[in-house]
Amino acid sequence: DSGVTQTPKHLITATGQRVTLRCSPRSGDLSVYWYQQSLDQGLQFLIQYYNGEERAKGNILERFSAQQFPDLHSELNLSSLELGDSALYFCASSLQQDTQYFGPGTRLTVL
Amino acid sequence: AQKVTQAQTEISVVEKEDVTLDCVYETRDTTYYLFWYKQPPSGELVFLIRRNSFDEQNEISGRYSWNFQKSTSSFNFTITASQVVDSAVYFCALSEFSGNTGKLIFGQGTTLQVKP
Repeated sequence: DSGVTQTPKHLITATGQRVTLRCSPRSGDLSVYWYQQSLDQGLQFLIQYYNGEERAKGNILERFSAQQFPDLHSELNLSSLELGDSALYFCASSLQQDTQYFGPGTRLTVL
Repeated sequence: AQKVTQAQTEISVVEKEDVTLDCVYETRDTTYYLFWYKQPPSGELVFLIRRNSFDEQNEISGRYSWNFQKSTSSFNFTITASQVVDSAVYFCALSEFSGNTGKLIFGQGTTLQVKP
């Protein structure tokens, strides 16, 4: 158990819908990272927050947004969903720029 | 540009064989971290090791060992006396210090199948 929690574990929704994925980092970690794992793109970095502020952006679509709250949990919002958004979404946390520990992931299926 | 290449897509071995997973990276930074993660069939990503660019000492942890060679930009992972429980996808990853972010650049992964 990495100490990082993600909910929900599975999510099935339809095209055009909006979903929210939630992540709670390990106790004491200030950084939260979001990654997307798909068969064609592999594991891709989406976005990082550090102590409530956006720190870095990767290959994140404009339809996707994230935030980190004062209690350091983070949410990833995916809107206007398309079939191609079906993937495994991971959250990871770290204290600063050191080892990232990953949550169990949320498997999103868009029908 | 930052890049991690795991040229072996799939490896199949019989239990008790030794197996080496290759990882080659590209970076312009002089300071960086390298990682290996394991993704078993259950799907989670499990941290195995972190190496910083200043430490080229090889590391051994039980049946696992890692060989870091800056001269060839490689960070290879060897499993000795493989077991069925080692069956998983293994990812090598790079993190640069510059840009004040620890974002990980992952290789495509190597699927290891250990047969009994």
